Amino acid sequence: EADIYQTPRYLVIGTGKKITLECSQTMGHDKMYWYQQDPGMELHLIHYSYGVNSTEKGDLSSESTVSRIRTEHFPLTLESARPSHTSQYLCASSGLAGEAGELFFGEGSRLTVL
Amino acid sequence: GQSLEQPSEVTAVEGAIVQINCTYQTSGFYGLSWYQQHDGGAPTFLSYNALDGLEETGRFSSFLSRSDSYGYLLLQELQMKDSASYFCAVLLTLSNDYKLSFGAGTTVTVRA
Repeated sequence: EADIYQTPRYLVIGTGKKITLECSQTMGHDKMYWYQQDPGMELHLIHYSYGVNSTEKGDLSSESTVSRIRTEHFPLTLESARPSHTSQYLCASSGLAGEAGELFFGEGSRLTVL
Repeated sequence: GQSLEQPSEVTAVEGAIVQINCTYQTSGFYGLSWYQQHDGGAPTFLSYNALDGLEETGRFSSFLSRSDSYGYLLLQELQMKDSASYFCAVLLTLSNDYKLSFGAGTTVTVRA
């Protein structure tokens, strides 16, 4: 069973608010990822990190930002939320198994911006 | 650029066999993974192929042909709990590591 946790699971906020989606893993994985997924659609990589103080932008342009100050923690921040940010955000991590295409996903944070 | 193609949906009855095909066009290809996702929850890893051939894990098998840029996931002895979305994903090499890019997913509906 994967030990990767996301909070909040569900969030409804108004336009212009700042939000932070939390992601923590207890597996000691160096690599962490954020994917964005709309209902019934594919997962788009928006950010990834290969270790502390390492962050990179993914394939899909995103107005969100991330930080990686501790190995186990990879929060995602939106400074000013807009309705176009409404989506599900999935956090994942991988260790050596990532080299065999295996990521461990959290349950996701479903964000609705009104 | 890169692309992955898989059927959008498949319907089958309990006990049947379903094959989900995945074709890809990408640079830096390293391997092909498959994930299962129920009702938009956490995707879970099913299998991975880096070499040509068939990998079998219980009722699920996965196949890869690198020369054809093609793979498939085979679901045997279908059960109601297998109703879910199935994603193929290509593992791509980067300058110093790897990343996983997903297809659009195939919704499998199992009927009694």
